[in-house]
Amino acid sequence: AQKVTQAQTEISVVEKEDVTLDCVYETRDTTYYLFWYKQPPSGELVFLIRRNSFDEQNEISGRYSWNFQKSTSSFNFTITASQVVDSAVYFCALSELLSSNTGKLIFGQGTTLQVKP
Amino acid sequence: GAVVSQHPSRVICKSGTSVKIECRSLDFQATTMFWYRQFPKQSLMLMATSNEGSKATYEQGVEKDKFLINHASLTLSTLTVTSAHPEDSSFYICSATRTAYGYTFGSGTRLTVV
Repeated sequence: AQKVTQAQTEISVVEKEDVTLDCVYETRDTTYYLFWYKQPPSGELVFLIRRNSFDEQNEISGRYSWNFQKSTSSFNFTITASQVVDSAVYFCALSELLSSNTGKLIFGQGTTLQVKP
Repeated sequence: GAVVSQHPSRVICKSGTSVKIECRSLDFQATTMFWYRQFPKQSLMLMATSNEGSKATYEQGVEKDKFLINHASLTLSTLTVTSAHPEDSSFYICSATRTAYGYTFGSGTRLTVV
């Protein structure tokens, strides 16, 4: 069965520190998608990135970067020079394919990031 | 971009009454819609998957008679919490998709049962 594990429940850093959020997944599918979402206190989910299982290139978007390693089934997320506005709950998720064109999104437990001034 | 409207954003109801939550895809036809529930400081737990015109598929442990899902069209799915009780108080969020990799989430509904 598909599973996503975010072992870090809470992380607290001081502004400008770099922080890495870990994500480990399990799946039997050869084709799957991995996601990261940010959930601020308002509750809405903010999409950050999607990765498919065939693309292991790391990605950088501004202060955000992602490291996808199939060999270790990990998809880690790093925030460089963290800011107070980065404080939120971050979820890693895995798309389990239901059919050729739809998938069920399974979430990890979430990591609460607190960035202190 | 794809937009999903979820409504209401907040609702308070009395114990024993039913509450309906709507999830509408505004600018695309959603093949599939998902309903999640999130308790405070917990993850999003998938409750059910619904496809237009067919019965919803519920996850293990979710009472289908309590959480009625209707997906009458490619743009609208509704979740009705029947005979709500305080333990049903939670954050409910829907998601619509037409592919295996593109999910659009509603803004969520905070349900409080008193």
